[in-house]
Amino acid sequence: DIQMTQSPSSLSASVGDRVTITCRASLNVNYYLNWYQQKPGKAPKLLIYAASSLQSGVPSRFSGSGSGTDFTLTISSLQPEDFATYYCQQSYSTPLTFGGGTKVEIK
Amino acid sequence: EVQLVESGGGLVQPGRSLKLSCTASGFAFGDYVMNWVRQAPGKGLEWVGFIKNKAFGGTTQYAASVRGRLTISRDDSKSIAYLQMDSLKTEDTAVYYCSTSAFDYWGQGTLVTVSS
Repeated sequence: DIQMTQSPSSLSASVGDRVTITCRASLNVNYYLNWYQQKPGKAPKLLIYAASSLQSGVPSRFSGSGSGTDFTLTISSLQPEDFATYYCQQSYSTPLTFGGGTKVEIK
Repeated sequence: EVQLVESGGGLVQPGRSLKLSCTASGFAFGDYVMNWVRQAPGKGLEWVGFIKNKAFGGTTQYAASVRGRLTISRDDSKSIAYLQMDSLKTEDTAVYYCSTSAFDYWGQGTLVTVSS
């Protein structure tokens, strides 16, 4: 199985900050990497697919980069509605696996 | 508008069975792979499995943790995907979500609690 490791597991940031979350795969997943945002009591929301493609309707302050084993989700200017938990997921091979999550909290 | 609605969750004793449904609308259900994903209370996301569309044989794949106990099926005439859960364990307690093949649409989730 491909293990997905996110860091950090949590972070505190202020509105307007630039936030970067990293995700490392234990094996090469090429570009088959998705990023999700999840708020308490809600279903996950797809933000980025294929490592760097912005899902329709997602604000352009979200961006993704990377390929192979190392990936990054960047929020260029954190907004109040961005405080949530973020997950990466590889869709390269089954079992599909998620990272452990990064909780973005208000500083 | 694409909609996925899960139903069938509830409280069940260990060792018993439960069947979840995911009712889809707003897209050509029969053309899509359907996934199930779960989230234990306070924990992260875990992929449970998927069922391919008929054009790809309607085959299924599962996470090791559920293989042999959880079974995914589909009824394309009703636009419903099912998750049959047998021999339930306390560690199966979670919110269960269905999602489309690209994980771009998700249901609201249904809570399954396995407890005596």
